[in-house]
Amino acid sequence: DAKTTQPTSMDCAEGRAANLPCNHSTISGNEYVYWYRQIHSQGPQYIIHGLKNNETNEMASLIITEDRKSSTLILPHATLRDTAVYYCIVRALNRDDKIIFGKGTRLHILP
Amino acid sequence: DTGVSQDPRHKITKRGQNVTFRCDPISEHNRLYWYRQTLGQGPEFLTYFQNEAQLEKSRLLSDRFSAERPKGSFSTLEIQRTEQGDSAMYLCASSPGLLTYEQYFGPGTRLTVT
Repeated sequence: DAKTTQPTSMDCAEGRAANLPCNHSTISGNEYVYWYRQIHSQGPQYIIHGLKNNETNEMASLIITEDRKSSTLILPHATLRDTAVYYCIVRALNRDDKIIFGKGTRLHILP
Repeated sequence: DTGVSQDPRHKITKRGQNVTFRCDPISEHNRLYWYRQTLGQGPEFLTYFQNEAQLEKSRLLSDRFSAERPKGSFSTLEIQRTEQGDSAMYLCASSPGLLTYEQYFGPGTRLTVT
């Protein structure tokens, strides 16, 4: 699986959009970009995934650059409950075994 | 609640003791995964099962660790002769199987070895 690079931490004001970047310059053509988050004292939670097109669901939007070497997770209206560690992961769809987590980005939503 | 459950949520044990954790996956999920997470790090893969078959084990899973899933439903993770370095959060996850996008994680068991 390709390696990802994320900032260690970020702050965002409550009610504003939180934009979390991720670099994955060695991504392969069959690898998807996944995002998980982990709220304190809970297990990780799947957020969204995408291959090359932008994706949106009820939780977030995922913007992938045209060259697929980087992506941004967008939480459109951040709330205090969005304070968590966010993990960007790259893996092939048919890899239904382990997930390789990095250290992620610790997002603080400020009141 | 039909999510992944883990028991116990917290365990404090003395060095050298054996501990066993249990994970109940989401019903009919045939894949079950164990991860370990230490402070400030992301979860690290330990092992996973397809039904009752253990398909992969990480190098992190020393011979003091053993995992089972005897009937393809719940799973247990046992640590023998615990060491202080075993102190961590032990996470379980499940997924329906092939070509699925996500794993569903339980709340974890926090182990403290004194």
